Amino acid sequence: DAGVTQSPTHLIKTRGQHVTLRCSPISGHKSVSWYQQVLGQGPQFIFQYYEKEERGRGNFPDRFSARQFPNYSSELNVNALLLGDSALYLCASSLARGLAGGVEQYFGPGTRLTVT
Amino acid sequence: GNSVTQMEGPVTLSEEAFLTINCTYTATGYPSLFWYVQYPGEGLQLLLKATKADDKGSNKGFEATYRKETTSFHLEKGSVQVSDSAVYFCALRPSNDYKLSFGAGTTVTVRA
Repeated sequence: DAGVTQSPTHLIKTRGQHVTLRCSPISGHKSVSWYQQVLGQGPQFIFQYYEKEERGRGNFPDRFSARQFPNYSSELNVNALLLGDSALYLCASSLARGLAGGVEQYFGPGTRLTVT
Repeated sequence: GNSVTQMEGPVTLSEEAFLTINCTYTATGYPSLFWYVQYPGEGLQLLLKATKADDKGSNKGFEATYRKETTSFHLEKGSVQVSDSAVYFCALRPSNDYKLSFGAGTTVTVRA
């Protein structure tokens, strides 16, 4: 089975522009999470979606938004890009059947966004 | 709030050396603990996990034990290989949430 896929792989945008990143979860996974990884740091949680509903949101401005589609794929949108938005954006999927136990999240390869 | 503190790198070792990466956490309740590995140019891969106190996670020769009394989850490997060169992240997931909180990562370089 294919793992989590993300597109595009790399992206270069100019300050003030808008960007859309896409993610397809592992088949059968209904939960998708988005993380931002700035160079040299650990990933920071942005959003989680389950069954098309937002389940959690990290400490990010309203310029960041996301949605999940009926096929469980997801988009992350960022408006009015800033230089500080340059990062690797990671998508993770999970079965998310419940909170018990170590529900694993499986990460995609990421989209490298550079804002100039 | 929930947070993870891990040993700063970079760490440089010779092949067959012993590796330890320290990780301590702050969390309420009983979080699940994870170690992820990130190879150059790739996303994160789950290395091992532990879901309750005294659990030992292990995979590919790596081990980590969930120590509630010291709020720690140190990663160890007895004999590293060049292929273990990567960035290692300690992470926790609270018992009442799906969000993962990561440490800053430790870069490990193993020289032949």
